[in-house]
Formats: sequence, structure tokens, C-alpha cells
Amino acid sequence: GAVVSQHPSWVICKSGTSVKIECRSLDFQATTMFWYRQFPKQSLMLMATSNEGSKATYEQGVEKDKFLINHASLTLSTLTVTSAHPEDSSFYICSAMLAGGPRREQFFGPGTRLTVL
Amino acid sequence: DAKTTQPNSMESNEEEPVHLPCNHSTISGTDYIHWYRQLPSQGPEYVIHGLTSNVNNRMASLAIAEDRKSSTLILHRATLRDAAVYYCILRDLGGGADGLTFGKGTHLIIQP
Repeated sequence: GAVVSQHPSWVICKSGTSVKIECRSLDFQATTMFWYRQFPKQSLMLMATSNEGSKATYEQGVEKDKFLINHASLTLSTLTVTSAHPEDSSFYICSAMLAGGPRREQFFGPGTRLTVL
Repeated sequence: DAKTTQPNSMESNEEEPVHLPCNHSTISGTDYIHWYRQLPSQGPEYVIHGLTSNVNNRMASLAIAEDRKSSTLILHRATLRDAAVYYCILRDLGGGADGLTFGKGTHLIIQP
């Protein structure tokens, strides 16, 4: 149980276009989902916290108008990278927290590798 | 979240035990010690967590020092599939839901 999927697993796009990444909790409900970014040979950096039915909370230095997050249901959160540029190329990973879970364990998706040409 | 310190890398042989250390000298009384690992090109996965007592699960064991200022993740019999970056993370469960703060972790290399 506790499986999180991401789609697509990889995407290549031209500079200036927008890319949407989906994060789904397949077998549990998640009131809170998180989005992370990981550049090559670096650790994961938290970008934002996504709460179902409310606005996302962004970490310092993350542009909310560039990285649009929507958490419309208890099983789906989406991250849209708007007007993507080569410096946005990265590994984007989401995680979901089990609603009501006592340990607040986070279940991670497999990641989406974005390459902006 | 309080800071943790881990060695950058460790190397072990297949089918031997591996002890991955983590120092967290500024740990508070409400901090749980969590371990996650990230296999190459994958998202992290939960390994184990504990508060004060040693913990065992199907993946690993967690040994926590009596003063809680350090802990050790133990893989009893490493396989090539255990090659990953292991992250030791402190989580205060007294507050609301928040994201994880990943340090650099320990890159575990398993030799066949």
C-alpha cells in the first residue's frame, strides 16, 4: 500500500512552454502533498506544501507564479512549470502524507525528469 | 528541524552488515529520528524511524544512543540493491505537517 505515482516520468520541452506534472496517491487519501526539486548530484529541496482545497505554501525563493500548484482532490496534486527555461531542468519529486497517519510518514513518487531545451 | 551530520560516503561488501552513523547533537525531546533512502534516479523511500528505543523492521534496524545525540542505521546483510543515498532526518511531530529537510546524506556503495 501507500503508492504515489507521477506522470510523466520524463519530459523534454522547448524554452518558453509550460509543463504540467501530476502526482497521485493511488491507494490512500492525502490531505497534504509536497513538491521537491533535485538538481544533479544535489539533495532534495522542498519547493512547496500543497493542501487539498487551499492555496499552496511556497518555500522562500520559489516563485509561486512560475510553479503553479493545484491540489483539487485528496488524491491528486499538480505542478505546472510555466514559461520553462533551461535552468528549470531538474528532477521534480512529489510526496504525499497519509491523512490521519500517526507517524506523518511521507510516501514519495518516482520523480519526473524535466529537460528544457 | 534540527541539523544532522552524516559521512559523505561509505563502502561495504555485499552480504556484510553496514552501519550508517548519524550525529544530531542538537536534537530536542520531541524530535523523532527518521531514515529515508534514495536509489539512483528514484524518489526517496522511508526506511525506519524511532524516538528513544532501538527499532527493527524488515528493511533495517535503528540503534539510538542513550543521550539521543547520535543514531546508527544498520543493514544486516547488504545487497547490491541497497546501494543508495541514505538520509537521516529529524522530525518534530509536535507541530503540523511539514516537508522534509534533506541534508547531503551518505552515499552507500556496495561492492560485489
